[in-house]
Amino acid sequence: DAKTTQPTSMDCAEGRAANLPCNHSTISGNEYVYWYRQIHSQGPQYIIHGLKNNETNEMASLIITEDRKSSTLILPHATLRDTAVYYCIAQIKAAGNKLTFGGGTRVLVKP
Amino acid sequence: GAVVSQHPSWVICKSGTSVKIECRSLDFQATTMFWYRQFPKQSLMLMATSNEGSKATYEQGVEKDKFLINHASLTLSTLTVTSAHPEDSSFYICSARARSGGNTIYFGEGSWLTVV
Repeated sequence: DAKTTQPTSMDCAEGRAANLPCNHSTISGNEYVYWYRQIHSQGPQYIIHGLKNNETNEMASLIITEDRKSSTLILPHATLRDTAVYYCIAQIKAAGNKLTFGGGTRVLVKP
Repeated sequence: GAVVSQHPSWVICKSGTSVKIECRSLDFQATTMFWYRQFPKQSLMLMATSNEGSKATYEQGVEKDKFLINHASLTLSTLTVTSAHPEDSSFYICSARARSGGNTIYFGEGSWLTVV
């Protein structure tokens, strides 16, 4: 699995967009970028994933650079409930492959 | 998204006893489930991969005789912590890969184990 690098923590203002960066410079061509978040004392929650193209769903948008060496998760209108640890993971999408978690980014949404 | 449920959400047991945690995929079949452990303020650590109908694959450093994993059906995997000690107190989380969901992995709510 390609190593990912994320900032340790970041603050953002309620109602504003939160842009969470992730570097994955050694990502291989068949590795997807997955984002999960973990709210305190809960299991991780799937947010979004992508391979090359930008993706959007009801929770967030994922912007992947053309060279695929980095990506940004965008929470369009952060709320206090978005306070969590966000994990960026590069992984092959295959039946037996497991997710390996790094340190993630601790996001604090402030009023 | 697909739903993965764990039971119990929290459990307290005495040292030396065994405790079982269940992980169920509620609306999909999962041939593969994963068990993680998480200590306070740390990231998730993969313990083992549970395969339906076969033996689990354990990560390096995880004692297979202490953490027994059974994956008897396509919707249920169990983790049994045997002869529990206070250092086994942790947050245990399972996850399952949903084939119909493009192999996306979904996580359970987690189970808090406290050994006293």
